[in-house]
Amino acid sequence: DTGVSQDPRHKITKRGQNVTFRCDPISEHNRLYWYRQTLGQGPEFLTYFQNEAQLEKSRLLSDRFSAERPKGSFSTLEIQRTEQGDSAMYLCASSLGQGRNEQFFGPGTRLTVL
Amino acid sequence: EDQVTQSPEALRLQEGESSSLNCSYTVSGLRGLFWYRQDPGKGPEFLFTLYSAGEEKEKERLKATLTKKESFLHITAPKPEDSATYLCAVHLEGGANSKLTFGKGITLSVRP
Repeated sequence: DTGVSQDPRHKITKRGQNVTFRCDPISEHNRLYWYRQTLGQGPEFLTYFQNEAQLEKSRLLSDRFSAERPKGSFSTLEIQRTEQGDSAMYLCASSLGQGRNEQFFGPGTRLTVL
Repeated sequence: EDQVTQSPEALRLQEGESSSLNCSYTVSGLRGLFWYRQDPGKGPEFLFTLYSAGEEKEKERLKATLTKKESFLHITAPKPEDSATYLCAVHLEGGANSKLTFGKGITLSVRP
């Protein structure tokens, strides 16, 4: 069990640029989640997938955000036309599903928008 | 509106000084309550899941308990390495809902 991995760990970008983050979940987990965390706050839910199906999206997920999990394995989160307010830690988590909702988090991607 | 409130916001303890962290929730249809530990710059690390009032779970110096309105994370004889932010989160019933709703966390500092 190698745990949840995320890439990159840090990303600095200029306002208006597009960025893409990748998440590789624990191999046997069929549920994958994206959260966003800002300083002094708990993680806030963005979206989640069961296998390749995106089942829920938060109102926080504006039209500039899109997430995919094309083969039910890894997932990508893209932010288009980044804004300074997008600066945050983006966390990915996975769970087994099947009534077990313990979510295991990756190390996160720290995004800084200048 | 569903809410998760953690208190205190920050707690400073002397090594060996036991204490409790509180997580209160006002939600309908609790499916589970989760505790996580988070070190600076890292993702949350899973500690416990509690499903029903009266349930308790232990791991080393930590014990989590659950009532119908709140959960406590008891820390017995803490060590400096227990310093971290402790997050609680709730999983609610309903539809395809699988998300966790987190509190803001409690920052624990244990002095040697």
